[in-house]
Amino acid sequence: EAGVAQSPRYKIIEKRQSVAFWCNPISGHATLYWYQQILGQGPKLLIQFQNNGVVDDSQLPKDRFSAERLKGVDSTLKIQPAKLEDSAVYLCASSPLRNTIYFGEGSWLTVV
Amino acid sequence: KNEVEQSPQNLTAQEGEFITINCSYSVGISALHWLQQHPGGGIVSLFMLSSGKKKHGRLIATINIQEKHSSLHITASHPRDSAVYICAVFQGAQKLVFGQGTRLTINP
Repeated sequence: EAGVAQSPRYKIIEKRQSVAFWCNPISGHATLYWYQQILGQGPKLLIQFQNNGVVDDSQLPKDRFSAERLKGVDSTLKIQPAKLEDSAVYLCASSPLRNTIYFGEGSWLTVV
Repeated sequence: KNEVEQSPQNLTAQEGEFITINCSYSVGISALHWLQQHPGGGIVSLFMLSSGKKKHGRLIATINIQEKHSSLHITASHPRDSAVYICAVFQGAQKLVFGQGTRLTINP
C-alpha cells in the first residue's frame, strides 16, 4: 500500500515569497490533516478536511495560509507571503477510520 | 497547562538499558497513539491503545484509562532507537492532540 505522498521534500525561499506544498493521501482515506511542526516542538494542526469539507481550520493563519482539497483527494497548502517564523516542517496525514492516522515524510521549509 | 504532558522531555541512556517514557492527559479520549519520529524523517505510529497493553518486539505500551496515563517502555535499548517519541490522543471528530515529545538518545 502506498503511503502518504508529499512534495517538495525541501524548499528554501526568501521572506515575502510564496510556496505551495502538495499532499496525496492514501487512497480511500476520507480525513486529511495538515500540521506545522517547528523544530523542537510537537505538531500543530493547521487544517483538517473530511472529504473536501473543512472540519477545523481554527489555527490556520488565514491572512497568509490557504489550503484546499479538490474532489476530496489530494490537497495543497499555500503560504503567501512567507515570514521567517514559517520555517518548519509541514506534515500531511490521512485517516481512513476513527482513531487511525498515517503521516507523510513532511515538507521542510526554510524562509531566509 | 497542555492537555497532553510527556516526561521526560529529554532522555539519554546507554545501550541495553530499560527505557520508560510517560504520558498523562487531561481530556477524554477515544484512543492514544505512541509515535516515533527520526531526525529528518516522518512520523510513524508505533501503537494505538484504547485499553490495556500492547507489545511489539522490544517495545511495550500500556494505558490506564481511569488514571489517564500511558507509558512506553523499550527493553534492551539500542542506538537505532534514538528518536523523538510523541504521545498523541484522539478526541472527538478525529481531533489529534500531541504531547511535546521526548527526545531519546541511546549511546553505544
